[in-house]
Amino acid sequence: EVQLVQSGAEVKKPGESLKISCKTSGYNFPSYWIGWVRLMPGKGLEWMGIIYPGDSDVRYSPSFQGQVTISADKSISTAYLHWSSLKASDSAMYYCARLGVPAALMTHFDPWGQGTLVTVSS
Amino acid sequence: EVVMTQSPATLSVSPGERATLPCRASQSININLAWYQQKPGQAPRLLIYGASTRATGIPARFSGSGSGTEFTLTITSLQSEDFAVYSCHQYNTWPYTFGQGTKLEIK
Repeated sequence: EVQLVQSGAEVKKPGESLKISCKTSGYNFPSYWIGWVRLMPGKGLEWMGIIYPGDSDVRYSPSFQGQVTISADKSISTAYLHWSSLKASDSAMYYCARLGVPAALMTHFDPWGQGTLVTVSS
Repeated sequence: EVVMTQSPATLSVSPGERATLPCRASQSININLAWYQQKPGQAPRLLIYGASTRATGIPARFSGSGSGTEFTLTITSLQSEDFAVYSCHQYNTWPYTFGQGTKLEIK
């Protein structure tokens, strides 16, 4: 069974750094793109970016380019989302999700992680 | 970027009835569209991909249709567990984008 298990909820102050994780199992991690999606209260899902662990190719949505860093560690089948300096506006639920077809970028997300709630407040 | 529009934001339908949820793309996305269901406190779940292909384990009462810029998710004979938020997602043109979602509520 394919599983994506995300790290727990975080409460941080503005200006602090944060890295959240998405540990995967049940499939060949290097062979599938894995991405991050933001969900803010009262808003729709937002595509942030995606990484191909096989060669670390990363693509960012323009809205998130320069705001976050996506990485992956093949040795432990885990993807990461990192902020170097959080803002209050980064408070949201963040989901990781794997693309549904190996090596394909133009495809749907399936499955999804359970989500990590990030709260940034002074 | 491709703007995905889902309207209405909220749709009220009675159990046992049919729900029709539209999704419109600001430019052609061929059939590169997926639908997801999300319930409170849960992650999104894939329902439909390729505009009309049901994902594994999804009941036959869920169906998708459309191509180009107009798409529809249809749920026949609504069950209590179907009341949730439904989002469309285009993966044809970078950056990939989602609709704002339609909340399907009990009438």
